[in-house]
Amino acid sequence: KAGVTQTPRYLIKTRGQQVTLSCSPISGHRSVSWYQQTPGQGLQFLFEYFSETQRNKGNFPGRFSGRQFSNSRSEMNVSTLELGDSALYLCASSLLGGNQPQHFGDGTRLSIL
Amino acid sequence: QKEVEQNSGPLSVPEGAIASLNCTYSDRGSQSFFWYRQYSGKSPELIMSIYSNGDKEDGRFTAQLNKASQYVSLLIRDSQPSDSATYLCAVNVVSNFGNEKLTFGTGTRLTIIP
Repeated sequence: KAGVTQTPRYLIKTRGQQVTLSCSPISGHRSVSWYQQTPGQGLQFLFEYFSETQRNKGNFPGRFSGRQFSNSRSEMNVSTLELGDSALYLCASSLLGGNQPQHFGDGTRLSIL
Repeated sequence: QKEVEQNSGPLSVPEGAIASLNCTYSDRGSQSFFWYRQYSGKSPELIMSIYSNGDKEDGRFTAQLNKASQYVSLLIRDSQPSDSATYLCAVNVVSNFGNEKLTFGTGTRLTIIP
């Protein structure tokens, strides 16, 4: 069974640009969550999507947005990039979300110059 | 108070000894608890889940849960150098949206000394 697939693996952008990250969950998993991981802050929850609807949202500015498609694939978009957005962005999927275990993809490492 | 707290370490343990990792949480309604292992430069990998009070064993790993004390721990027996990693504790909490989400601790960095 294929795991969670995130693309691209690495991305370099400049301030002010926007970026879109993609996540394909494990087959059959309907919940997709996104996290930002930095050395100082650890794993910070961005949002969760289930059946194409945002079900949970963390404390990030509106520049961070996402969506989920009918096949459960999800995308995350960050607009007007700032230096502080440099981080590892992780996607995790689970069958139904909530209190179920999540399985992570390899992540997208985003660097802002 | 943070929702999930872990000692950041580093925790150094001799090879072959027992490594003990601890985690406390603040939401008394939490029902699901997970331990993830993260190697440097890699993504978190689920290694244990526990839902009931008591111990749950899987190979060299034992998860312990005490809901009354709001405490969950992970024991690693016969520690190996390959166990050197950061261990993340995750707990389900009810978010402001009224739905459950996993909240992670900041992790404990474990080093096994040969």
